[in-house]
Amino acid sequence: DIVMTQTPLSLSVTPGQPASISCKSSQSLLHTDGKTFLYWYLQKPGQPPQLLIYEVSNRFSGVPDRFSGSGSGTYFTLKISRVEAEDVGVYYCMQSIQLPWTFGQGTKVEIK
Amino acid sequence: QITLKESGPTLVRPTQTLTLTCTFSGFSLSTNGVAVGWIRQPPGKALEWLALIYWDDDKRYSPSLKSRLTITEDTSKNQVVLTMTNMDPVDTATYYCAHSSRSGGYNTPYYVDYWGQGTLVTVSS
Repeated sequence: DIVMTQTPLSLSVTPGQPASISCKSSQSLLHTDGKTFLYWYLQKPGQPPQLLIYEVSNRFSGVPDRFSGSGSGTYFTLKISRVEAEDVGVYYCMQSIQLPWTFGQGTKVEIK
Repeated sequence: QITLKESGPTLVRPTQTLTLTCTFSGFSLSTNGVAVGWIRQPPGKALEWLALIYWDDDKRYSPSLKSRLTITEDTSKNQVVLTMTNMDPVDTATYYCAHSSRSGGYNTPYYVDYWGQGTLVTVSS
């Protein structure tokens, strides 16, 4: 199985300030078709996860442009340019290049 | 608009079989490139993928749980059913069903884009 490791596991951010979460995979997520199958999800309190970013850097429908994803191969980053109160929750990275799909441990983001 | 909703028992006794139903709308599981999966989340813990059923009825399971899982579809009812045998307290979790699609052709991996609200299943005697 591909192991996904997120850092940090928790983050306390002042509203309006940036935030960054890292995700490292134990194997490359680069597919033979040239795409990289790394995703970011946000699970707000009491809700199911929601897709934020697909294939490293593409924002899903309706996701604000303060969210951005970057990276390649085995190292990836999710950035929030200016954190807002509604961004609190747990962020997960996930790989789908290989079954079983695997998730990171999650990064809990709270507002100071 | 894609929606999914899980249903099933909230309490299961140890050794019993769990049967969960995912009822969905806004898409057809007969459509090329569509799949429905199950993912669970123990209280306060991370997400774990369980099973996936594809538009062509191909099925995949988590290797660690494969012997206990069965995923089936009822296309006419827009439902996907997951059964898990020999339930144990460690299986206590919120179980999510999820719509999955792919961004490319036949060999392109799938990913989860829409989630149901989830259903909490407690395993206890």
